[in-house]
Amino acid sequence: GAGVSQSPSNKVTEKGKDVELRCDPISGHTALYWYRQSLGQGLEFLIYFQGNSAPDKSGLPSDRFSAERTGGSVSTLTIQRTQQEDSAVYLCASTPSSTGWSAEAFFGQGTRLTVV
Amino acid sequence: SQKIEQNSEALNIQEGKTATLTCNYTNYSPAYLQWYRQDPGRGPVFLLLIRENEKEKRKERLKVTFDTTLKQSLFHITASQPADSATYLCALRDSNYQLIWGAGTKLIIKP
Repeated sequence: GAGVSQSPSNKVTEKGKDVELRCDPISGHTALYWYRQSLGQGLEFLIYFQGNSAPDKSGLPSDRFSAERTGGSVSTLTIQRTQQEDSAVYLCASTPSSTGWSAEAFFGQGTRLTVV
Repeated sequence: SQKIEQNSEALNIQEGKTATLTCNYTNYSPAYLQWYRQDPGRGPVFLLLIRENEKEKRKERLKVTFDTTLKQSLFHITASQPADSATYLCALRDSNYQLIWGAGTKLIIKP
């Protein structure tokens, strides 16, 4: 596809269950970001992958959150033992390396997670 | 570390008027500053980029200015329309190449 693809679009899960959110970035984009956005709020940074460098995990809110990026492409955000406060829209973005510091971010449509 | 401040209060503008949104940053001036639009239920979409050596950048009804002395960028929409109603975010890269985002300002254009 031409854009960043996220799946699922919506996820309803029971409190305490684990969930996996997937992000398929634009082919060739070396940087990948995960954000969380609660209703009416700004983007909350979670994790940043840049090429083969160690990811910046400084935004992960707890050790229940983890993310992987396999082969420099697809990324999975895993939330273990979900809590109601995890309910939000999870957005993924990727940026190309070819345009360097001016590179714009391309966002997926997001995954709306609801923990009941 | 670099921080971005945008007015958290919604901005209400009458249709046809010019809307002006503000983005202030705290530390060193970035080489580039970006503006995005976000509609409800969707991810942000890139609008404009301005370089530190550019005072002004235009695209159709949009105009962005960049004042490195004030550490501020202004985003203007002229002849505003109800369809311009959205949240507008500014972003820049910190020294680690990571994108830093403002919280966004909600713009409401009233007919």
